[in-house]
Amino acid sequence: DAKTTQPPSMDCAEGRAANLPCNHSTISGNEYVYWYRQIHSQGPQYIIHGLKNNETNEMASLIITEDRKSSTLILPHATLRDTAVYYCIVRVARNRDDKIIFGKGTRLHILP
Amino acid sequence: KAGVTQTPRYLIKTRGQQVTLSCSPISGHRSVSWYQQTPGQGLQFLFEYFSETQRNKGNFPGRFSGRQFSNSRSEMNVSTLELGDSALYLCASSLGWGENTEAFFGQGTRLTVV
Repeated sequence: DAKTTQPPSMDCAEGRAANLPCNHSTISGNEYVYWYRQIHSQGPQYIIHGLKNNETNEMASLIITEDRKSSTLILPHATLRDTAVYYCIVRVARNRDDKIIFGKGTRLHILP
Repeated sequence: KAGVTQTPRYLIKTRGQQVTLSCSPISGHRSVSWYQQTPGQGLQFLFEYFSETQRNKGNFPGRFSGRQFSNSRSEMNVSTLELGDSALYLCASSLGWGENTEAFFGQGTRLTVV
């Protein structure tokens, strides 16, 4: 079962920041938070991941709360091309039992 | 460098037939995972291969099998196809065992069983 909870859908105006929340209250100390997104009919695309510090790359920022029970993916200036399903996943640093368990994700609609 | 390549992109098969899907990982990647995506069940993990060995397996019947070759390319096979096997089959490759490895997905093979 997925270990994360996300809202099923969200809207965001084009040009504004999109803030996508994720709850992972049962996360273990050695589990990372990963974000992927899937644009219609394509394979999931890696966005960003982190352990406990906030992370930023050219696509997005990841804010992880101090207790690590929740996180927020931030797309700073959303465009229509960011319309996709966003998946938040917790995943142990690779070991024998590693596999990516996807939940239902959040369907993000960018409004023009 | 080239991404993950899955072939074929689209496939139509008849119930009862078998099918083989192929995945070529990113050069240098040694781990390949397979996923099934359907509207009802979402993305579900099938299995993972590393160094030609199956390392992990999801909850799918034995009709679903796979293998990995010495060049890290992988195939998955579904025998005795059922209508419910219609899905998008995705392959993901990653470097392999170690910290902080992200998985890169292919575009998938869309299988339709009629």
